[in-house]
Amino acid sequence: EAGVTQFPSHSVIEKGQTVTLRCDPISGHDNLYWYRRVMGKEIKFLLHFVKESKQDESGMPNNRFLAERTGGTYSTLKVQPAELEDSGVYFCASSRTGRAMNTEAFFGQGTRLTVV
Amino acid sequence: RKEVEQDPGPFNVPEGATVAFNCTYSNSASQSFFWYRQDCRKEPKLLMSVYSSGNEDGRFTAQLNRASQYISLLIRDSKLSDSATYLCVVFRGRDDKIIFGKGTRLHILP
Repeated sequence: EAGVTQFPSHSVIEKGQTVTLRCDPISGHDNLYWYRRVMGKEIKFLLHFVKESKQDESGMPNNRFLAERTGGTYSTLKVQPAELEDSGVYFCASSRTGRAMNTEAFFGQGTRLTVV
Repeated sequence: RKEVEQDPGPFNVPEGATVAFNCTYSNSASQSFFWYRQDCRKEPKLLMSVYSSGNEDGRFTAQLNRASQYISLLIRDSKLSDSATYLCVVFRGRDDKIIFGKGTRLHILP
């Protein structure tokens, strides 16, 4: 079974440019999460999809960030225009719908975004 | 108060020693609990789930105390390869939300 995959693994862009990150969850996982880890800080929640619907986007820092999940499959996270403080590692995770105990989340390898 | 709290450390521990750290959670509706491990520049990976009855996996023991709302991780006979950040992760079943602690950094010293 393929794991959670993210693309690209690294991205270096200039301030003001646009970047789109992609996440392909594990097949059959309705839950898809985006997290961000800024250097030296904790992992912070950005948003949560259940299938194609945004369950919770309370962690999105501002309206420069736009997330979509087409047809409840892969998700994209677009940053436009990028600012220096957007640099960090963006992780995507997926899990089955969790009414069962011990619903594990699987993480992608992350996209390291550097804004210069 | 944060929903999940951990001592960020770092814990500097000699090889072979036993180390333990706790994680407290504030929401009594939290359903499932996990310890994840994150190596530098890598993604978090599941170390172990935490069951109500406590569970052990080799040198690692996890326990859950629902009354006091904390989970713990004990590492016995620590190895150099145990050096990592250990993340406490709480799954809130009512809305499928996954909440991370800040992580505890562990350095095993030769």
